[in-house]
Amino acid sequence: DAMVIQNPRYQVTQFGKPVTLSCSQTLNHNVMYWYQQKSSQAPKLLFHYYDKDFNNEADTPDNFQSRRPNTSFCFLDIRSPGLGDAAMYLCATSRDRQATNEKLFFGSGTQLSVL
Amino acid sequence: AQSVSQHNHHVILSEAASLELGCNYSYGGTVNLFWYVQYPGQHLQLLLKYFSGDPLVKGIKGFEAEFIKSKFSFNLRKPSVQWSDTAEYFCAVNARATGFQKLVFGTGTRLLVSP
Repeated sequence: DAMVIQNPRYQVTQFGKPVTLSCSQTLNHNVMYWYQQKSSQAPKLLFHYYDKDFNNEADTPDNFQSRRPNTSFCFLDIRSPGLGDAAMYLCATSRDRQATNEKLFFGSGTQLSVL
Repeated sequence: AQSVSQHNHHVILSEAASLELGCNYSYGGTVNLFWYVQYPGQHLQLLLKYFSGDPLVKGIKGFEAEFIKSKFSFNLRKPSVQWSDTAEYFCAVNARATGFQKLVFGTGTRLLVSP
């Protein structure tokens, strides 16, 4: 049974048109992460939520925002997608913060195309 | 800043061949080390991890990895690969410190095992 669910699997948007990717989890984990993975590159952390506490990475563009209305759901909003934002977006969860050896549980990702 | 290098981007092996995938990281402090695997069409999942103790770590499906602190390495090995091991393998490091530290991934190694 899928524990971290991302919808949709594929998303196509137009240059500059806002888009929202969604992630839900059935694990009741405290932490939710969004990673961006461009072709042939390593997954790169954009931000994470520890409960309701939002933590942005220093080099995440302002174009990327996130919302976590409750424990189960987390959204990635791209306000004005550019061609360079085409990538696989991975949602992940962990029970607690990664100061320890917590493993991440990943969703299957949303492949975003920008036309 | 932490970084992870995976030197082999593509590896092709025949069934029953032995496997070793290289992983080197750069960080002067104490780390947690992980190997994640992504089978075709599936989400990333944890293969094995190291955080303390025996530097030889055994994971699922017959995989193992050895942490060599002096070489900053955490190479993945399997004595005899199977066709079902075809996947992409990611090494990742998490610096252990007070507070949250992000998981930094390598660029991945695509393994193709031919029957």
